[in-house]
Amino acid sequence: EVQLEQSGAEVKKPGESLRISCKGSGYSFTNYWITWVRQMPGKGLEWMGTIDPSDSYTNYSPSFQGHVTISADKSISTAYLQWSSLKASDTAIYYCARRKHGWFGEVNITWFDPWGQGTLVTVSS
Amino acid sequence: DIQMTQSPSSLSASVGDRVTITCRTSQSISIYLNWYQQKPGKAPKVLINAASSLQSGAPSRFSGSGSGTDFTLTISSLQPEDFATYYCQQSYSTPWTFGQGTKVEIK
Repeated sequence: EVQLEQSGAEVKKPGESLRISCKGSGYSFTNYWITWVRQMPGKGLEWMGTIDPSDSYTNYSPSFQGHVTISADKSISTAYLQWSSLKASDTAIYYCARRKHGWFGEVNITWFDPWGQGTLVTVSS
Repeated sequence: DIQMTQSPSSLSASVGDRVTITCRTSQSISIYLNWYQQKPGKAPKVLINAASSLQSGAPSRFSGSGSGTDFTLTISSLQPEDFATYYCQQSYSTPWTFGQGTKVEIK
């Protein structure tokens, strides 16, 4: 079974650093990009960025570029999302998801499946 | 960035009702459109990709249509387990973006 297992909930203070993880299993980790998605309390889904675990190529949303770092360690099939200095506005659930893609006629479509269970990050003084 | 606008933001419906959710994009995206279902406290799950292709394991009462800028998700006969929030998502260009969500509630 393909699974993404995320690290547990975190409670941090503003200014602290944090790294959360997402471990893939049941498939070849380097064959699929990993995406991170933010969901602020009571809000919708926001794509943060994507990493290719085979070579660590990353693509960030401009909204998150410079605020977070996405990385991966293919030797342990794990992707990471990292902050160097958290803010209260970083309070959210963060999901990782596997990027899948396929051909539908002449177009190559990307979608996210499966998703990890989510990691709740709470930043409060 | 491609803007995604879903309507309605929420709706109330009864079991057995036919439900339609619309997603409009700020520019033409061909069929680069996916639909996800998110239940409270759970991660999203993909229902439909490429605008109309039902994901393996998704119930056949779900269907999608559209291309260009206007897309529709239809639930032919609403079941108790379908009460959730639904999101459209474009994969035409990065940053990949989601609609704001449509919450389907019990009437």
